[in-house]
Amino acid sequence: GAGVSQSPRYKVAKRGQDVALRCDPISGHVSLFWYQQALGQGPEFLTYFQNEAQLDKSGLPSDRFFAERPEGSVSTLKIQRTQQEDSAVYLCASSSKRGGGLDEQFFGPGTRLTVL
Amino acid sequence: AQSVTQLDSHVSVSEGTPVLLRCNYSSSYSPSLFWYVQHPNKGLQLLLKYTSAATLVKGINGFEAEFKKSETSFHLTKPSAHMSDAAEYFCVVTTNRDDKIIFGKGTRLHILP
Repeated sequence: GAGVSQSPRYKVAKRGQDVALRCDPISGHVSLFWYQQALGQGPEFLTYFQNEAQLDKSGLPSDRFFAERPEGSVSTLKIQRTQQEDSAVYLCASSSKRGGGLDEQFFGPGTRLTVL
Repeated sequence: AQSVTQLDSHVSVSEGTPVLLRCNYSSSYSPSLFWYVQHPNKGLQLLLKYTSAATLVKGINGFEAEFKKSETSFHLTKPSAHMSDAAEYFCVVTTNRDDKIIFGKGTRLHILP
């Protein structure tokens, strides 16, 4: 069956460019999460949506990071004026549960962003 | 506040020998603990979880972990390694108190033929 998909799988950007990363959650999943995984580190929480509402964005590292989920399904993580420190794998996860505890989250394969 | 420390960044074992991946945690509240595996180009996959029930937790693919409160540890073990176990493993702590999810830095497991 279809799992969580993310696109593109790899993205190379020049410093200062804007990028948009897409997440397609499992159909019908109400909760959606974004994580950032820097090289050699574990994933770190960025933001959480319940349907179209962004209920927690406490992990977004700066105001250059923006996430949306306008129709409560597909989500886009946008990074403006990318910096080298933004280079990381960006993971998306979805859950059928509201709140969606960690063990109820299904993870996508991630998008590897490299900023030159 | 909570934190998690994976004591080894790399572990190498021979195929057929036991696996031990170490994890220590710190938590102000009763923790929930998880182990995840990450194969290249695949999403994170839950191996097992501890949520205050039995302290010895059995997971998928023959892995298990034991919660030891006195040692604040949650080490992952497997009696006999298989080549397909080569991957990155993450220990994770959460609590119901604040819903924060803290991942360890990961341990890369290498399996030698």
